[in-house]
Amino acid sequence: NAGVMQNPRHLVRRRGQEARLRCSPMKGHSHVYWYRQLPEEGLKFMVYLQKENIIDESGMPKERFSAEFPKEGPSILRIQQVVRGDSAAYFCASSPLKGKNIQYFGAGTRLSVL
Amino acid sequence: AQTVTQSQPEMSVQEAETVTLSCTYDTSESDYYLFWYKQPPSRQMILVIRQEAYKQQNATENRFSVNFQKAAKSFSLKISDSQLGDAAMYFCAYRINTGNQFYFGTGTSLTVIP
Repeated sequence: NAGVMQNPRHLVRRRGQEARLRCSPMKGHSHVYWYRQLPEEGLKFMVYLQKENIIDESGMPKERFSAEFPKEGPSILRIQQVVRGDSAAYFCASSPLKGKNIQYFGAGTRLSVL
Repeated sequence: AQTVTQSQPEMSVQEAETVTLSCTYDTSESDYYLFWYKQPPSRQMILVIRQEAYKQQNATENRFSVNFQKAAKSFSLKISDSQLGDAAMYFCAYRINTGNQFYFGTGTSLTVIP
């Protein structure tokens, strides 16, 4: 039973480009969470999604960031027109339908903006 | 505001000795869950131990145990018989039962000295 899979592990973008980060939850999990970890800091919540629905996006920046979790396929975190301040590690976590109190994390995507 | 404070940015312990990592949190909620996650250099977030706030008994997982003081809002992690593989960043986190997100501290970097 594969864990939470995130790809790519490392992503390099130039300022102004788009970044797409993918997350495949654990098998049977229908809840996905995205977190951002800036250097020397803990993880900060961004968004919580269920299949085809955004449930809580209170941690998402108002502009340039969007997330989706389609009926088929992985969850995508999309950052448009990246800036240097977007450089961070982005983690995805998933939990089963019942059991939000345990979140299983992927290994993260490290985004570097040049 | 929901906050988690880890006052020890770095700790070290001799192999086979015991170390305690501190964590305090602030919430006005009464029903919540507490967690310790380990992040080795691979960046994978690994759940170490969790505690339900309504349970008075401290959680234990093999060499890992917690000292949960609800009134003081304190949740420290004790690692007994430390091993080289315990070296990692350790994050304290909690989630309120009615919420969606985990709140993380800034982490404690643990070094194990052979």
